[in-house]
Amino acid sequence: GENVEQHPSTLSVQEGDSAVIKCTYSDSASNYFPWYKQELGKRPQLIIDIRSNVGEKKDQRIAVTLNKTAKHFSLHITETQPEDSAVYFCAASKAQSSASKIIFGSGTRLSIRP
Amino acid sequence: EAQVTQNPRYLITVTGKKLTVTCSQNMNHEYMSWYRQDPGLGLRQIYYSMNVEVTDKGDVPEGYKVSRKEKRNFPLILESPSPNQTSLYFCASSSDRLNEKLFFGSGTQLSVL
Repeated sequence: GENVEQHPSTLSVQEGDSAVIKCTYSDSASNYFPWYKQELGKRPQLIIDIRSNVGEKKDQRIAVTLNKTAKHFSLHITETQPEDSAVYFCAASKAQSSASKIIFGSGTRLSIRP
Repeated sequence: EAQVTQNPRYLITVTGKKLTVTCSQNMNHEYMSWYRQDPGLGLRQIYYSMNVEVTDKGDVPEGYKVSRKEKRNFPLILESPSPNQTSLYFCASSSDRLNEKLFFGSGTQLSVL
């Protein structure tokens, strides 16, 4: 079945350094790849997304890259800050006329060391 | 204020006692969906609805039912809860293309004893 694998499951970086989280997906028909951030005890919130016709997208300190050939996409956070500490989820989906499942990765717990 | 409202926030019940978790959105969104979150498994989609009276199964629909009689409401029904349904549940809605740019509710922590 469709699957999204996410690595690493935990990540600790020094404040100011960069963090990279990687995901691979199994369904080559997937065409939408969002990233959600979930702070402790809160709801997941969309932070950035990318469609399959784009290779890279950036929003201030966060960026996402997509390699369709390898079925791989990554989240990059630069100049990390304490408020970046959270669990991050990647996801993949394909918009169809009669069905629209979304598959999430298992999450990465990011900790920023002061 | 735009929001997705889930109730209750916390629920403890016993095996076999039917329960309903309500979800309501005030953004006139067409797409609504339910997820469960378990440690190490991320978020898994239970059911989704693309519009009134249109629902479909997600990845883990067994043991759950949904209905979409009105655009704003999408309740999750557990007819006979079991301990393996103990989880954190999220409802979400979207006005964008189908399941894109999901807006999540605040979650319901369910414990089935």
